Amino acid sequence: DGGITQSPKYLFRKEGQNVTLSCEQNLNHDAMYWYRQDPGQGLRLIYYSQIVNDFQKGDIAEGYSVSREKKESFPLTVTSAQKNPTAFYLCASSTGSLHPRQYFGPGTRLTVT
Amino acid sequence: DAKTTQPTSMDCAEGRAANLPCNHSTISGNEYVYWYRQIHSQGPQYIIHGLKNNETNEMASLIITEDRKSSTLILPHATLRDTAVYYCIVRVNTNAGKSTFGDGTTLTVKP
Repeated sequence: DGGITQSPKYLFRKEGQNVTLSCEQNLNHDAMYWYRQDPGQGLRLIYYSQIVNDFQKGDIAEGYSVSREKKESFPLTVTSAQKNPTAFYLCASSTGSLHPRQYFGPGTRLTVT
Repeated sequence: DAKTTQPTSMDCAEGRAANLPCNHSTISGNEYVYWYRQIHSQGPQYIIHGLKNNETNEMASLIITEDRKSSTLILPHATLRDTAVYYCIVRVNTNAGKSTFGDGTTLTVKP
């Protein structure tokens, strides 16, 4: 079954700890994205990657880091420098072709206390 | 990417058509209109997209005005499962593929 997997669905961490969110896709898509969503608000772009070993900052990259060592994987690390990390995190991918509709994963809800 | 304006919320009776408007008055000639929806606590789902012609698929219809400054997403026979936040996005179809999601319209379908 093709799609995007995010794990875990719920994640709890203590303040000051780094945490890595997983995102895997088996759609053979070139481009992958990370979004953050706060309650009652839309999605904000954190990072995106158009190709392996390359990624670009989005609108709110501060306090986050990513890597793209494999086409199918795009992990997001929420560092201790992120001042308000509690949020719903969504990963997406797209073909990067002429009509790159995005396919989203189920999301990870991160709570930092 | 052009900015969009959508109503914060709308209600619709079950079985009736839901018409969701979107204003994008600063849209450029090479920008497409995309619609996604997000059911509570899930990832957004693609619905439809178009450039200037009206489009229809199994989920919805997209009507874009002739001047392309606004569009309407139509769910022809809304069901309770269509209750969701609907996002209208305009963007260029480049390999970047990144989209700016505003706050969207919360559609509530009522029995």
